[in-house]
Amino acid sequence: GENVEQHPSTLSVQEGDSAVIKCTYSDSASNYFPWYKQELGKGPQLIIDIRSNVGEKKDQRIAVTLNKTAKHFSLHITETQPEDSAVYFCAAASPGTYKYIFGTGTRLKVLA
Amino acid sequence: NAGVTQTPKFQVLKTGQSMTLQCAQDMNHNSMYWYRQDPGMGLRLIYYSASEGTTDKGEVPNGYNVSRLNKREFSLRLESAAPSQTSVYFCATEEAAGGQKLFFGSGTQLSVL
Repeated sequence: GENVEQHPSTLSVQEGDSAVIKCTYSDSASNYFPWYKQELGKGPQLIIDIRSNVGEKKDQRIAVTLNKTAKHFSLHITETQPEDSAVYFCAAASPGTYKYIFGTGTRLKVLA
Repeated sequence: NAGVTQTPKFQVLKTGQSMTLQCAQDMNHNSMYWYRQDPGMGLRLIYYSASEGTTDKGEVPNGYNVSRLNKREFSLRLESAAPSQTSVYFCATEEAAGGQKLFFGSGTQLSVL
């Protein structure tokens, strides 16, 4: 069945460094790729998303890149801060369906 | 504007007991979802409702039932709880099915002993 692989499962970086989280999806019909941030004791919150007609999207320190040919998309966080510490989930969705397939999450720790 | 509200936040059940998890949204969204989150497994869809009056099974529906009471409310019922249902449950809403943003509640942490 369809799946989304996410790597790494844990990531520790020094404050100010960059962090990169990568996802690979299997369903060629997927055309929407959101990233969610989940802080301890809270629900996931959308931080950035990208659609298949775009190769890159940036929002301040956060960017997402998409390679449809390779079925890869990545989250890039620059100038990391302690408040970036959280679990990050990627997902892939097909048009007009309920089917969001989530990755297994990456626990990011930003060390002060 | 509360967004997506889930109750209760925590619950402990004994095997065989029943309970209903409540979810209410004030975002006027059509689609609502129930997910469970287990360590190392991401979010898995239990049931979803594309609109008021409709519900469909997701990836892991066994042992659960749902009710879309009206546009605002979507409840998840465990008729006879099992230890395998120990998990964190999230309700989410979406303006329309597919390709839109999901908005999550803060979750219900359920333990079945």
